[in-house]
Amino acid sequence: EAGVAQSPRYKIIEKRQSVAFWCNPISGHATLYWYQQILGQGPKLLIQFQNNGVVDDSQLPKDRFSAERLKGVDSTLKIQPAKLEDSAVYLCASSFSSAYYEQYFGPGTRLTVT
Amino acid sequence: SQQGEEDPQALSIQEGENATMNCSYKTSINNLQWYRQNSGRGLVHLILIRSNEREKHSGRLRVTLDTSKKSSSLLITASRAADTASYFCATGSNTGNQFYFGTGTSLTVIP
Repeated sequence: EAGVAQSPRYKIIEKRQSVAFWCNPISGHATLYWYQQILGQGPKLLIQFQNNGVVDDSQLPKDRFSAERLKGVDSTLKIQPAKLEDSAVYLCASSFSSAYYEQYFGPGTRLTVT
Repeated sequence: SQQGEEDPQALSIQEGENATMNCSYKTSINNLQWYRQNSGRGLVHLILIRSNEREKHSGRLRVTLDTSKKSSSLLITASRAADTASYFCATGSNTGNQFYFGTGTSLTVIP
């Protein structure tokens, strides 16, 4: 079974630029999550999709972050414009259905904003 | 704000010893999960315990859950150097959303 795929693995941008991350979940998984993990901290949930609908985006900074999950499969997370404090690892995870089940994580994208 | 808090923040033990880490959370949950993260790598799911369960085992792992105290513990028996990693607890709400990770325990197993 293929795991969760993410790209790119690394990205370096200057502040005020925009960036996009892509995630392909495990086939058949209805729930997709985006997390932000700052060095030395636990992952922070940014947004949770159930199929192509948003079920929780309470911690997503909506003035600069946006995410979509077209057709309930792949997802993209965008930051525009980026700030220095956005430097972090962005993790994508998927689960069979909702937070009642274990999550499978991708390798993450390490973003550095200079 | 994040739901869980792990204790201790850091733990260093000799290979072969047992390691215990604790997690406290704030609100009612459907389940609690433990994850491991090796340095610079992604998270790996270890074990899930539901709110109606009190104890669960998986290989050298033993997890307990006390919903009255809103706490959980993870015991790793006969530790190995390969167990060196950060361990996170995460809670799933009763509504199926609002999944939160704790702050993590950094475990170092000395060969």
